[in-house]
Amino acid sequence: DVKVTQSSRYLVKRTGEKVFLECVQDMDHENMFWYRQDPGLGLRLIYFSYDVKMKEKGDIPEGYSVSREKKERFSLILESASTNQTSMYLCASSQNRGLRNYGYTFGSGTRLTVV
Amino acid sequence: EDKVVQSPLSLVVHEGDTVTLNCSYEVTNFRSLLWYKQEKKAPTFLFMLTSSGIEKKSGRLSSILDKKELFSILNITATQTGDSAVYLCAVTNFGNEKLTFGTGTRLTIIP
Repeated sequence: DVKVTQSSRYLVKRTGEKVFLECVQDMDHENMFWYRQDPGLGLRLIYFSYDVKMKEKGDIPEGYSVSREKKERFSLILESASTNQTSMYLCASSQNRGLRNYGYTFGSGTRLTVV
Repeated sequence: EDKVVQSPLSLVVHEGDTVTLNCSYEVTNFRSLLWYKQEKKAPTFLFMLTSSGIEKKSGRLSSILDKKELFSILNITATQTGDSAVYLCAVTNFGNEKLTFGTGTRLTIIP
């Protein structure tokens, strides 16, 4: 089974800190995604990547950046954390044209609180 | 911009009831519609639908897609407390690999 692992389940950071959220997948998937999930707003795409060193903005990229130096790892960076970035962050991966894999496989999420 | 709307936003029913969850969408170059179940952690895959009128079934859960009217329904029969979760609907298009999600329906089953 595909496994997507997010490094932290819960995280508390102070306003202004630089925050790294790590995501690793073990099935050689080309595509990786970062979403945030907020009550009443559903899952919103922050950034995604189709290949190593490639990245594309999603629907809400402001205040975030990403890094994909290796195929299996996709990092989300909050350059200067703010309280409105308190959220549940979900990482996901999929194969190219991955209909055979039934869409995405998600990690367990990181609940980030910025105080 | 792709858009997915789910209804109702929340639903509370008694164990044994049957529920129907709705998902309507607007997508350029529609490819597929997916249903996920999310309990406390990661969303888990339920169904992927690409063709109209073909019911997908898994135990007490079933789903169908209407590509003409641009909606899908997820049915759960003989509900159990373990069905309590947020049910997410998402769509993909042929332009890219992104999933666009609805806000979800929170289903609560009362024993």
